[in-house]
Amino acid sequence: GENVEQHPSTLSVQEGDSAVIKCTYSDSASNYFPWYKQELGKRPQLIIDIRSNVGEKKDQRIAVTLNKTAKHFSLHITETQPEDSAVYFCAAPQVYTGNQFYFGTGTSLTVIP
Amino acid sequence: GAVVSQHPSWVICKSGTSVKIECRSLDFQATTMFWYRQFPKQSLMLMATSNEGSKATYEQGVEKDKFLINHASLTLSTLTVTSAHPEDSSFYICSARPGTDNSPLHFGNGTRLTVT
Repeated sequence: GENVEQHPSTLSVQEGDSAVIKCTYSDSASNYFPWYKQELGKRPQLIIDIRSNVGEKKDQRIAVTLNKTAKHFSLHITETQPEDSAVYFCAAPQVYTGNQFYFGTGTSLTVIP
Repeated sequence: GAVVSQHPSWVICKSGTSVKIECRSLDFQATTMFWYRQFPKQSLMLMATSNEGSKATYEQGVEKDKFLINHASLTLSTLTVTSAHPEDSSFYICSARPGTDNSPLHFGNGTRLTVT
């Protein structure tokens, strides 16, 4: 399936600082890239997504950038808060087999008050 | 909108028994649903794609005879873990999307399976 790599696996930041998580994918036909936040024992929740016709999308403190040529996209969280602490997953679809989502390995973000 | 309901939320069963997990799209029709498995502190691993009215498509390494998937209607998919063993203990999550392929997946609450 689609090969999605995510870095870093863990990330600790001071409250108020920014956090950046990066993902790469392998299917050049992929055209939609979501980011999910998962709290312990709960289901993943979509926090932001981007389609391949734009290079950047922002929603308040969260932004996603996409470089289709290089096949990578990144999640940016500014002014981090303790409630941002969670595991974040990127995903990319494998287009030619039906747009199944393959997920990155996850990033455990800890925001230190 | 786009609510996916999954039951049960947790189940404990003995080795050798079978467990059925239901996934329903409550306010939209889903011709395709996806089943994922997540071990502790790991990522979501796609197990299979459930197709309404036809056979499921399984990922490499996932035993189709062990993880039976039925997608009998546009709002219901079931995953049956047959002859469960302790190594099948995991968090199983279903998902579906209401719109086009170029849209987000919505997840059920997940099912925590413990096989004793």
